[in-house]
Amino acid sequence: DTEVTQTPKHLVMGMTNKKSLKCEQHMGHRAMYWYKQKAKKPPELMFVYSYEKLSINESVPSRFSPECPNSSLLNLHLHALQPEDSALYLCASSQDRGAGSNYGYTFGSGTRLTVV
Amino acid sequence: GDSVTQMEGPVTLSEEACLTINCTYTATGYPSLFWYVQYPGEGLQLLLKATKADDKGSNKGFEATYRKETTSFHLEKGSVQVSDSAVYFCALRAVGVNTGNQFYFGTGTSLTVIP
Repeated sequence: DTEVTQTPKHLVMGMTNKKSLKCEQHMGHRAMYWYKQKAKKPPELMFVYSYEKLSINESVPSRFSPECPNSSLLNLHLHALQPEDSALYLCASSQDRGAGSNYGYTFGSGTRLTVV
Repeated sequence: GDSVTQMEGPVTLSEEACLTINCTYTATGYPSLFWYVQYPGEGLQLLLKATKADDKGSNKGFEATYRKETTSFHLEKGSVQVSDSAVYFCALRAVGVNTGNQFYFGTGTSLTVIP
């Protein structure tokens, strides 16, 4: 299995809703990432998990809450979002956060989130 | 700090035309360089990579050579197809205990190939 699977593919939520995005990989990768991508822009790093521990939070608002229940799963819990949070949310994984620069990331197809 | 500068788009080409998308980088260490492609409505896919100077990455007819002297990693294809229409991102990943996790993306270049 060489994929990163993200669910759901599309999500529409109100500003008072609570929802979760899910990401799963079975490649044995020990680093997992959440990125946010606005239209026609490059992905922006949000969070990095290394060996199931949060290692980087790029000053993301607390209405986004990541969780890594085990080495294969990564969740992003959403609460009280704003319309400007509408974007494509991408999950990625890699062999190891500090294993050297040779390894690329494997990206999922993303969840397209619309906040109304 | 480390960064990637990528050719602005959008780029529109006729089928079978030659493609070059310019990418230059700034890095303090010895980065690996990557090209990712994003097809409409999808996530990013690794297209090719090069991990040291003079390495050439290639895949699906695309090539890019890691040129340390010009700090460049230009993407080239001799004959594009309609199916190559996508956004292309140049990226670098820096070596180092504290920077190994960091990917720096260029701004992306949108390519449209017309029949």
